[in-house]
Amino acid sequence: DAKTTQPPSMDCAEGRAANLPCNHSTISGNEYVYWYRQIHSQGPQYIIHGLKNNETNEMASLIITEDRKSSTLILPHATLRDTAVYYCIVRPQLTGGGADGLTFGKGTHLIIQP
Amino acid sequence: GAVVSQHPSRVICKSGTSVKIECRSLDFQATTMFWYRQFPKQSLMLMATSNEGSKATYEQGVEKDKFLINHASLTLSTLTVTSAHPEDSSFYICSARRWDRNYEQYFGPGTRLTVT
Repeated sequence: DAKTTQPPSMDCAEGRAANLPCNHSTISGNEYVYWYRQIHSQGPQYIIHGLKNNETNEMASLIITEDRKSSTLILPHATLRDTAVYYCIVRPQLTGGGADGLTFGKGTHLIIQP
Repeated sequence: GAVVSQHPSRVICKSGTSVKIECRSLDFQATTMFWYRQFPKQSLMLMATSNEGSKATYEQGVEKDKFLINHASLTLSTLTVTSAHPEDSSFYICSARRWDRNYEQYFGPGTRLTVT
């Protein structure tokens, strides 16, 4: 799986948009960008994933650059409950095969300030 | 949404004893579950892939005889830490893969194991 680079921590004011960057310059053509988050002492939670087009769901938006070497996760209106460690993972699409275990990096600790 | 539970949520045991952790998919069937371990201030590390009705696949460096995995039904996988030692103290998290949701993994809430 391609390596990702994320800032170790970020602050964001409550109610503002939180923009979390991820660099994945070695991403290959069949690899997707997945985002998960982990609230303290809980299991990770899936947020969103995409290949090359921008994606949006009820939780967040994912913006992928045209060259696919970086992406940004956007939480449009951050709340205190969004304080968590956010993981950007690049890997081939989950296929139901035996190699679907996820490799987590260090992630970004996002702190939402009141 | 899909729900995965773990039991117990936290356990304290004495060195040398064995501890069993259960992972259940509550509203879907999962032929494959995954076990992760997370030490304090570190990221999750995949330990093993648990397949219903067959042997688990362990990641490099994970002792299969120490971390016994049983996936006897489509909704239950268990991880038994045998002869636990203080260095096994960690946060153990399972996930269950859902084939009808693009094989997305849904994570359990984790089990905090403390070995004294």
